Amino acid sequence: NAGVMQNPRHLVRRRGQEARLRCSPMKGHSHVYWYRQLPEEGLKFMVYLQKENIIDESGMPKERFSAEFPKEGPSILRIQQVVRGDSAAYFCASSPRGGFTEAFFGQGTRLTVV
Amino acid sequence: QQQVKQSPQSLIVQKGGISIINCAYENTAFDYFPWYQQFPGKGPALLIAIRPDVSEKKEGRFTISFNKSAKQFSLHIMDSQPGDSATYFCAASLGGGNKLTFGTGTQLKVEL
Repeated sequence: NAGVMQNPRHLVRRRGQEARLRCSPMKGHSHVYWYRQLPEEGLKFMVYLQKENIIDESGMPKERFSAEFPKEGPSILRIQQVVRGDSAAYFCASSPRGGFTEAFFGQGTRLTVV
Repeated sequence: QQQVKQSPQSLIVQKGGISIINCAYENTAFDYFPWYQQFPGKGPALLIAIRPDVSEKKEGRFTISFNKSAKQFSLHIMDSQPGDSATYFCAASLGGGNKLTFGTGTQLKVEL
């Protein structure tokens, strides 16, 4: 049973370009969470999705950021018109359900904006 | 109200010693308190978790102590080993969910 798969592992984008980060949850997991980790900081919650639904996007910046988790395929975190401040590690986690259940994290995508 | 404060920022412990990391929270509605371990280049992995109806939980060399009245919880690593060298994060959430509020992390180094 493969773990949570994130790709790419490293992504370099120039200012103004778009970044697409993919997350394939563990088999049987229908809940996905995205977190951002800035250098020397803890992880910050961004968004919580179930298949085809955004459950909680209270941590998402109001502009340029969007997320989806379609019926088929991976969850996508999309950052439009990237700026240097978007440089960070982006982690996704998945769980089989909500509530008191462990979420498993992927290895992250390290985004560098140049 | 949603913060979780973690200390120390870094910690050096001799092999065989006890590592202690502390966290404090503000939101009394939090009801799930996990600890995560993260190695460089990897994602966080759940180490141990506690709910506020118990004051202590032990799993192997790892123990969480929880003080509800003080709104504090701590991780104790007994007989610390070089392989325990990692960054440790405390976290908290509502309803046991995985919308987690993380502390800022503690870099632990266990020396021989």
